[in-house]
Amino acid sequence: AQTVTQSQPEMSVQEAETVTLSCTYDTSESDYYLFWYKQPPSRQMILVIRQEAYKQQNATENRFSVNFQKAAKSFSLKISDSQLGDAAMYFCAYSLQGGSEKLVFGKGTKLTVNP
Amino acid sequence: ETGVTQTPRHLVMGMTNKKSLKCEQHLGHNAMYWYKQSAKKPLELMFVYNFKEQTENNSVPSRFSPECPNSSHLFLHLHTLQPEDSALYLCASSQDRGTFMGSEQFFGPGTRLTVL
Repeated sequence: AQTVTQSQPEMSVQEAETVTLSCTYDTSESDYYLFWYKQPPSRQMILVIRQEAYKQQNATENRFSVNFQKAAKSFSLKISDSQLGDAAMYFCAYSLQGGSEKLVFGKGTKLTVNP
Repeated sequence: ETGVTQTPRHLVMGMTNKKSLKCEQHLGHNAMYWYKQSAKKPLELMFVYNFKEQTENNSVPSRFSPECPNSSHLFLHLHTLQPEDSALYLCASSQDRGTFMGSEQFFGPGTRLTVL
């Protein structure tokens, strides 16, 4: 069974600093997608960044970037120049193929940004 | 209204009640999802509807009954729930293009359900 593990239940970072959130996953598939979703205290989950497994180049979105290590099945999220609005739960997710696309989520990491 | 909306935002019900959760997406998507979010557990996929057809039932108890009358609306009918069913229920939608593309899912704000 595919699983996603986020080993850091909570993390904190100072405003303007950089923080890295960890994620590992387990799959026997070669073709898949990985995501980081953010869920602020208001609860609406939004996509932060997406990575195609067949691409070696790490995805970046402004201050957000990933370190994708396919052989190690690792997919960490780096947030640079952290802002107060980055405080949220961050979920790593893996997309399964077959029928409809399905997301398998990790338990999440709660990020606190200290002013 | 924009994005994905869910009503009600909060619901308290007894174990013998019957209630329904509603989800509406205003994005023109053709796939809709129900997830259960419990404390300290990963989000659990419950149901997937694609072009109004149910394509996934993730071993969900029959006390949860989904309905998708069209590609914009999704309901979750609840009856004889248990206290352990208390959770945040999230609806999501995406555009399924018929090939595996890792489509982004757009989430609603959720319904906080408490079963007494």
